[in-house]
This record gives sequence, structure tokens and C-alpha cells, in this order.
Amino acid sequence: ILNVEQSPQSLHVQEGDSTNFTCSFPSSNFYALHWYRWETAKSPEALFVMTLNGDEKKKGRISATLNTKEGYSYLYIKGSQPEDSATYLCVIRAARGSGTYKYIFGTGTRLKVLA
Amino acid sequence: GAGVSQSPSNKVTEKGKDVELRCDPISGHTALYWYRQSLGQGLEFLIYFQGNSAPDKSGLPSDRFSAERTGGSVSTLTIQRTQQEDSAVYLCASTRRQGPTDTQYFGPGTRLTVL
Repeated sequence: ILNVEQSPQSLHVQEGDSTNFTCSFPSSNFYALHWYRWETAKSPEALFVMTLNGDEKKKGRISATLNTKEGYSYLYIKGSQPEDSATYLCVIRAARGSGTYKYIFGTGTRLKVLA
Repeated sequence: GAGVSQSPSNKVTEKGKDVELRCDPISGHTALYWYRQSLGQGLEFLIYFQGNSAPDKSGLPSDRFSAERTGGSVSTLTIQRTQQEDSAVYLCASTRRQGPTDTQYFGPGTRLTVL
């Protein structure tokens, strides 16, 4: 059974601070990693999908890196704003044989940015 | 274009009653997933439909849970004889295909409360 761990579980930062969180996963059967942002009372929204070791993605003030050999990804937020407050979900796409895949979700990191 | 829609958005029911939750995926998406998030927990996979293949029901917690997808489009998740532990947010997601990098598009969820 593949386990996807995210840390920290939650954090509070001041507006303007930069922050980062971690997603750890077993590297066996790995195919892709997705980051989602999930605001309260809204649908999870896709941020990035990464597949290759060393991948780096950037979207505005948010960026992510991927290390498939050691099994981790970092999500960075530069100059946090109150609108960044959300739960950030890491999702692994893993092979389960017969050419099929499954999504394995982390429990998320809840970010609160204080004005 | 329209995203994934779910109905109802909120459902309050009494213990022992049956409930039906509906998901309308994005048109043309071949894969559909049901998840639930109980309070303080991560997303839990329930069931997955891919085209005309037999659904993957491996995540259904008990035989009180069932789901169907008619015509490869709309899906209904049915919970019979609801219990208080069924209280959760039930999320539906769809993907265009079943590849490793396909992004899941989530609906807004149905919040189920069993009294």
C-alpha cells in the first residue's frame, strides 16, 4: 500500500512571508505527482502535474519541485497573501498493473495566511 | 465550458434513511471517481468508472454503498440505511482519459450529515 505523507499538517504564516511544504511518497510504481489547492467550500483546483525527476513548475508566486529518486516534492509560496489560504493536496499517480493507475491522496497541508 | 457538478450541495438525513448523491462530469470525460472526506481525514477513494469497463469498487466501505454510471455520463452514489459515520463531504471528479498525467477535475462536493 502506497502512503503519501504531507507536512506540516497545518501552518499559519504572516502576509508577505514565504513558505514551503513537503510531500513524501514511495518512489516505486510512481508515474506522476499532482498538486491541488482546495479552498474551503470550493472544489480542489489543479496547480501542477510533474512526472520527471528534477521537474520544476511555476505559476505566479507558487512553484514546485520533484525528486522521484528520494520520493519527495516541495511546494513553495513566495510572499504569501491571504488569498493563498487553503489546503494544499499532493496526489500521486501510481501504477497498479494491467496498464491502469490509481490516485493516492495525501492528507493535505492547511495554510492560513494572516493579514 | 461547464465543470463537474454535484447535487445536492448539502443533505441532512436521519439515521437509517437512504440517500442518493448525483455527479455530472465534464462532457467527454471518460473516467469518473467518487471520494469522501470525513472530518479531519484525507480524501478516501470510494469507486472509479472508466468507459464501459467494470467499475473499481475496491474503496466502498460497506455493501450499503453502491454507485452506477448511466450512459457513460451521470453517476449516482447511493448509501442505504445511513449511519452517523457516513457523515462526510462526498466529492466527485472526472478525467478526460486514464493516463498518468490526466488532471482530475473536481465537483464542489455534497456535504452529507446523518443525524
